[in-house]
Amino acid sequence: DVKVTQSSRYLVKRTGEKVFLECVQDMDHENMFWYRQDPGLGLRLIYFSYDVKMKEKGDIPEGYSVSREKKERFSLILESASTNQTSMYLCASIPTGSSYEQYFGPGTRLTVT
Amino acid sequence: LAKTTQPISMDSYEGQEVNITCSHNNIATNDYITWYQQFPSQGPRFIIQGYKTKVTNEVASLFIPADRKSSTLSLPRVSLSDTAVYYCLVGGTIYNQGGKLIFGQGTELSVKP
Repeated sequence: DVKVTQSSRYLVKRTGEKVFLECVQDMDHENMFWYRQDPGLGLRLIYFSYDVKMKEKGDIPEGYSVSREKKERFSLILESASTNQTSMYLCASIPTGSSYEQYFGPGTRLTVT
Repeated sequence: LAKTTQPISMDSYEGQEVNITCSHNNIATNDYITWYQQFPSQGPRFIIQGYKTKVTNEVASLFIPADRKSSTLSLPRVSLSDTAVYYCLVGGTIYNQGGKLIFGQGTELSVKP
């Protein structure tokens, strides 16, 4: 089974802190994604990556950056956390050529106070 | 990417068949139709995918009419554990759609005893 893991299930940070959310997949997938999920808004794509060191902005990249130094690891960085970034963050991966069967991690619920 | 419209919520009872219809009037020729399931505090999980006519797996069936402007997810004999949010998405392969999935608000299915 494909496994996508995220570094934390719950995280509490203070406003202004730099926050790192890590995602690791064990199936050699080329493509990885970061979403945030908020009540009433569904899942929204923040960033995605086709390959190591490659990244593309999604629909809501403002306030976030990403890093993909190794194929299996995709990190989401909040440079200076703000309260409006309190959300559930979900990571996903998919092999190249697949028709959208993405595999999701369990999510990280981030609270910024 | 084609936008999808589905009911916000549905109620059912254990043992009943549940049909959730999704409208996607602007579906493109290369687009697949994919359904995901999400339980509280978990990431979405792939259920089924199809292009046309009918697809069946061990979990669900997907009915797609000839014009492909809608699709229906059918869950046979639901149980309490099928209570979840169900998302309908349309899109092509990772190559020609930039890897972007658009998750709508989904349909919150509540199964009662």
